[in-house]
Order: sequence, then structure tokens, then C-alpha cells
Amino acid sequence: DVKVTQSSRYLVKRTGEKVFLECVQDMDHENMFWYRQDPGLGLRLIYFSYDVKMKEKGDIPEGYSVSREKKERFSLILESASTNQTSMYLCASNPSRQNPEAFFGQGTRLTVV
Amino acid sequence: QQQVKQSPQSLIVQKGGISIINCAYENTAFDYFPWYQQFPGKGPALLIAIRPDVSEKKEGRFTISFNKSAKQFSLHIMDSQPGDSATYFCAASPKAAGNKLTFGGGTRVLVKP
Repeated sequence: DVKVTQSSRYLVKRTGEKVFLECVQDMDHENMFWYRQDPGLGLRLIYFSYDVKMKEKGDIPEGYSVSREKKERFSLILESASTNQTSMYLCASNPSRQNPEAFFGQGTRLTVV
Repeated sequence: QQQVKQSPQSLIVQKGGISIINCAYENTAFDYFPWYQQFPGKGPALLIAIRPDVSEKKEGRFTISFNKSAKQFSLHIMDSQPGDSATYFCAASPKAAGNKLTFGGGTRVLVKP
């Protein structure tokens, strides 16, 4: 089974802190994605990556950055956390551009106080 | 602007009944339409998916109906069971964009015994 693992289930951070959310997949997938999930809004794409050291902005990239130094690892960075970034964050991967089935991690619920 | 609109936001159905969730999209470049199921505390998991070259796909009790001209697709859950109680998301992606998924807002389904 494909496994997408997010480093934390729950995080509480203070306003202004730099926050790192880590995601690792174990199936050699090319593509990785970061979404945030908010009630009524579904999942919204923050950033994605098609290859190592490659990144592209999604629909809501403001206030976020990402890093992909290794194929299996994709990190989401909140440069200066704000209360409106309190949300559920979901990492996903899919095998390639030709194979669209996405596999999700269990999510990280981030609270910024 | 939500490119994939999902309705209803919530649904209560009796055990054995039919659950129907609808989605509409605008982008004619979309060519992959998956449905994801999410249980509390878990990440979304792929339930069933369809390409626009077919009008219907069935897997067990789950059926996707697809209407290309109307730019609509729906999920039917036949013989609904309490274990189907979850949040369901429709999504769509264009092949040209490397399978970047755009999600609907989600539908919370409760199946009463």
C-alpha cells in the first residue's frame, strides 16, 4: 500500500512563528501536493511539485513556501504563522502526470494562537 | 471562485436508501473526475473515478453518472449503510496541468440505522 506520512497530527503554534510541516511518501511518486481543508471550502491547493527541487504555486500560495530536496519528501513552510492559517493541512502524492490517482496523508491540524 | 461546485453540503439518509451528491464544473479542460471519501481524523481516499468518454461507472454500491454537455457529474450510493457515513468530495483535473486536482466543497453524509 502507498503510504503518505505527515510528521504531526496536531500542532499549536504562536502568531509570527516559522512553521514546518513535513510529508514523506514511500512509493517513488513523482508528484506531491499540499492542500488545506476548511469547512465548506473543500480542499484548496497551496503548492505542488513535479520533481525534486521543482515547485509550482497552487490556488492559495500566499503566506506559504515549500521545499523538495528529495523525491520522497515535500515540506510546507509557513514563514510567519497567522491566525488565518489555522486549518487542516493535507499532503498528497500521485505516481506521475499520466497516472492521476492521488494518495493522501492523514492530515495535520494546525492551530495558530 | 470555485471551479467545482458540490451540493448538497449535508445529507441524511436512512439505511438502505440512496444517497445522491451532485457536482458541476466550468473548465472544459477537465478530463478526470474522481470522488474521494473521508472519515473523521483521516485523509481523503479515492472511492471511484471517471473519464469523460463514458457516461456511467459502477463499482459495487457506488456509481458515477457523467453528463459532459451539462458539465455535471454525480455520485450515487445505493443501499446506503451506516459505515458509509463520511464526507465525500468530488474533484476534477485537466491532464495538461499534470493532474492537479480541484475539489468541490464536500458533502457530509449521515446514514441512519
